[in-house]
Amino acid sequence: GAVVSQHPSWVICKSGTSVKIECRSLDFQATTMFWYRQFPKQSLMLMATSNEGSKATYEQGVEKDKFLINHASLTLSTLTVTSAHPEDSSFYICSARDMATNYGYTFGSGTRLTVV
Amino acid sequence: RKEVEQDPGPFNVPEGATVAFNCTYSNSASQSFFWYRQDCRKEPKLLMSVYSSGNEDGRFTAQLNRASQYISLLIRDSKLSDSATYLCVVNNAGGYNKLIFGAGTRLAVHP
Repeated sequence: GAVVSQHPSWVICKSGTSVKIECRSLDFQATTMFWYRQFPKQSLMLMATSNEGSKATYEQGVEKDKFLINHASLTLSTLTVTSAHPEDSSFYICSARDMATNYGYTFGSGTRLTVV
Repeated sequence: RKEVEQDPGPFNVPEGATVAFNCTYSNSASQSFFWYRQDCRKEPKLLMSVYSSGNEDGRFTAQLNRASQYISLLIRDSKLSDSATYLCVVNNAGGYNKLIFGAGTRLAVHP
């Protein structure tokens, strides 16, 4: 089945630094990837939709200059949290769908970000 | 109003019990419906899709009522391993087929 590899699994960074999270579709091409954020005891909130070769589409209230998304190839999308602050500490998860085979949505294993 | 609403629980049930979760969604144009399971600090995993005719997968039965915009999940003969958070998920109409997640219902099965 479709697999999405997400790295790193967890990261601790200092306030003011930037963190990059990668998601790769391992055995399928993902023209679209979705980035979610989940705070403790809350549901996944869609942050943005990442499209290969074009600008990402951000959900209302998500700062595009703070959460930079790059989808340079059909198998790789990255999310960079710029100038991270403690309130950005969260669980970030990507998701993709293999449109060629109509697999269901496959999620990465998530990245737990802690900003200190 | 949230797009997908669920009772957060927790539901504490003994092994062997039958438990039902409900979910409502606000967008009548929603196209696809799912139940996902999420274990603590893990990514969500697809439990089952939900069809208008109702569908069953072992101990799990899902129902969809489009007229009422209501989705349900029934778990029979609960196991300890069923303890998790169950997420009601809707695929909204639109160009990118976004998944919209409910806040989840927590289930704790005890011996």
